[in-house]
Amino acid sequence: NAGVTQTPKFQVLKTGQSMTLQCAQDMNHEYMSWYRQDPGMGLRLIHYSVGAGITDQGEVPNGYNVSRSTTEDFPLRLLSAAPSQTSVYFCASSSPGVSSYEQYFGPGTRLTVT
Amino acid sequence: DAKTTQPPSMDCAEGRAANLPCNHSTISGNEYVYWYRQIHSQGPQYIIHGLKNNETNEMASLIITEDRKSSTLILPHATLRDTAVYYCIVRVVNYGQNFVFGPGTRLSVLP
Repeated sequence: NAGVTQTPKFQVLKTGQSMTLQCAQDMNHEYMSWYRQDPGMGLRLIHYSVGAGITDQGEVPNGYNVSRSTTEDFPLRLLSAAPSQTSVYFCASSSPGVSSYEQYFGPGTRLTVT
Repeated sequence: DAKTTQPPSMDCAEGRAANLPCNHSTISGNEYVYWYRQIHSQGPQYIIHGLKNNETNEMASLIITEDRKSSTLILPHATLRDTAVYYCIVRVVNYGQNFVFGPGTRLSVLP
C-alpha cells in the first residue's frame, strides 16, 4: 500500500491565485481530514470527511473548500490564496470506531503565498 | 476534548530512557490518552494509546496515573532517530472525531 499520498510536495502561489491540493489513500479508510501546520505550532484541523459525500468544517475552514466524491480522494481547494495561508498542509485518514486511534498522515504539501 | 500540558522541550542522552510527561487534569472517564510524534516536518506518526492501564508496544510504554490526571511516555532506549516533537492528546474514541494537536514537546536525543 502507498498509504496516504499528497501532491504537490511544494507550491508557490501569488496572492489571489487558486489551486487544489491533492490527497489520496489506498487503505479504504472512510475518514479523511486536512490539517495545516504553521512554523513552531501544532496542527490545526481545516476540514474533514466521514465518508464519500459527507464533509464538515474544522477549526480553521475559512478560505478553503473540500469535496469527497470517492472514498480514496479528498482534495483541498484554496479559493483565493493569501499570505496567511502560507503553511504546511497535511492530509490524514483513518478507519472509524475502535480502529480510529491511528490516523495515517501524508508527507505534507509546503505552500508559500507571496 | 480535555486540554493537555507538556513541557516545550527536553533533552535525553542516546541509549538512555526518555520520559515525556503530560498533564491532563480535566480528562473525563471516556477519554483516551494518545501519543503521536512528528519527525522533522514529516507527517505525525502514531505511537501508543491507553485508557487507564499501562500499555507497551514495540515503540514505547505509556504509564497513566491511577487518577488519570497525568501520563508519561517512555522510550526505553532513545536513539538519535527519536529526536522529534511528541504530542500528547486526549480524546474520545468515536466515529468522526479528530485529533487536536497542541505544540507538543520537542525531544532532542544527544550523542
